[in-house]
Amino acid sequence: DAGVTQSPTHLIKTRGQHVTLRCSPISGHKSVSWYQQVLGQGPQFIFQYYEKEERGRGNFPDRFSARQFPNYSSELNVNALLLGDSALYLCASSLGPGVMNTEAFFGQGTRLTVV
Amino acid sequence: SQQGEEDPQALSIQEGENATMNCSYKTSINNLQWYRQNSGRGLVHLILIRSNEREKHSGRLRVTLDTSKKSSSLLITASRAADTASYFCATDARETSGSRLTFGEGTQLTVNP
Repeated sequence: DAGVTQSPTHLIKTRGQHVTLRCSPISGHKSVSWYQQVLGQGPQFIFQYYEKEERGRGNFPDRFSARQFPNYSSELNVNALLLGDSALYLCASSLGPGVMNTEAFFGQGTRLTVV
Repeated sequence: SQQGEEDPQALSIQEGENATMNCSYKTSINNLQWYRQNSGRGLVHLILIRSNEREKHSGRLRVTLDTSKKSSSLLITASRAADTASYFCATDARETSGSRLTFGEGTQLTVNP
């Protein structure tokens, strides 16, 4: 079975542009969460989606948005990119908030560089 | 600020030695998970320990959890050069639902051949 897949793997954008990152969860997993990892730090929670609804949001500006599709895949959108948005964006897949104490599995991430 | 804090920030050992990393957290949790990350790539899930568990084993890994001290440790026995990576603990807090993990800053482990 395929693990969590993210695309693209690398991306270079200019300040002010918009970016869309994509994630497909593990088959059978209904929850997708997004994390931002700046170089040298641990991942920071951005969003959790379950059954196409936002179930949690971290401390990120409104320039960050996301959505989940009927097949449980997800997109993370970032508008008006800033240099500080340069990071590794990680997607995590899990069974969902209704199931306690289940592991979250991560994709390989998308490395976003804003110049 | 990060919920979890790993200690030490960096650890360098020789192949065959044991490596111990510690994690402290601040709030009540449902569970605590340990992950490995190689050179800025994706996170690899290592082990999950529930709040009502005290110790868990998986191969060369041993994880302990002390909820009274709000701390956990990851022990890697008989380390190998391939264990060189960053290790993160992540907590799933009791008051939130689902997988909203809070990570520490990580421990950079270097295993010298």
